[in-house]
Amino acid sequence: GAGVSQTPSNKVTEKGKYVELRCDPISGHTALYWYRQSLGQGPEFLIYFQGTGAADDSGLPNDRFFAVRPEGSVSTLKIQRTERGDSAVYLCASSLQTSGTGELFFGEGSRLTVL
Amino acid sequence: GESVGLHLPTLSVQEGDNSIINCAYSNSASDYFIWYKQESGKGPQFIIDIRSNMDKRQGQRVTVLLNKTVKHLSLQIAATQPGDSAVYFCAENLDGATNKLIFGTGTLLAVQP
Repeated sequence: GAGVSQTPSNKVTEKGKYVELRCDPISGHTALYWYRQSLGQGPEFLIYFQGTGAADDSGLPNDRFFAVRPEGSVSTLKIQRTERGDSAVYLCASSLQTSGTGELFFGEGSRLTVL
Repeated sequence: GESVGLHLPTLSVQEGDNSIINCAYSNSASDYFIWYKQESGKGPQFIIDIRSNMDKRQGQRVTVLLNKTVKHLSLQIAATQPGDSAVYFCAENLDGATNKLIFGTGTLLAVQP
């Protein structure tokens, strides 16, 4: 498809488990962003990649969260030892360039529920 | 802005009326201000942006107004339609070199037929 693709769309896991969320950005978009959205709130920035490197990971809440983008396209957000407070929708977005007007193209998100 | 948890501010309008959604931002140094629309179960969708050196910008049926004196941003939607029903977020781009956005608290727009 032409848009940002995220899998899985829904993930239910148990506290303490490991989770991976995948993002396939729009072809040719060099910048990729991960945001987290809790119920009733706006998205919160987690990390952004320019190419393969994490240019800014200041939004990652703690060291249980990690993201990679090894070939500069698909990205995986990894959460270790999940906690109930990690439950949220994880949104991925991409843009053609980093120099920012603020126009991001978002996927539909991966809804994570930690029981 | 402050989180309002599950209780989003709501604006209810009649179909065909004009809608005005307001937002207060916090950082005077923001370079761009942006409005996003989010429908239920979907990701946010870019609507329009405005650079900090402007006070008004128009798009198709939408107008964004920026008042830097009082740090206020508004989105006006003309002739509101049922398809406009969604949560609307304002966002600031603090760093003009990236698209690292800070989103505000959303407003739920409910269009009554």
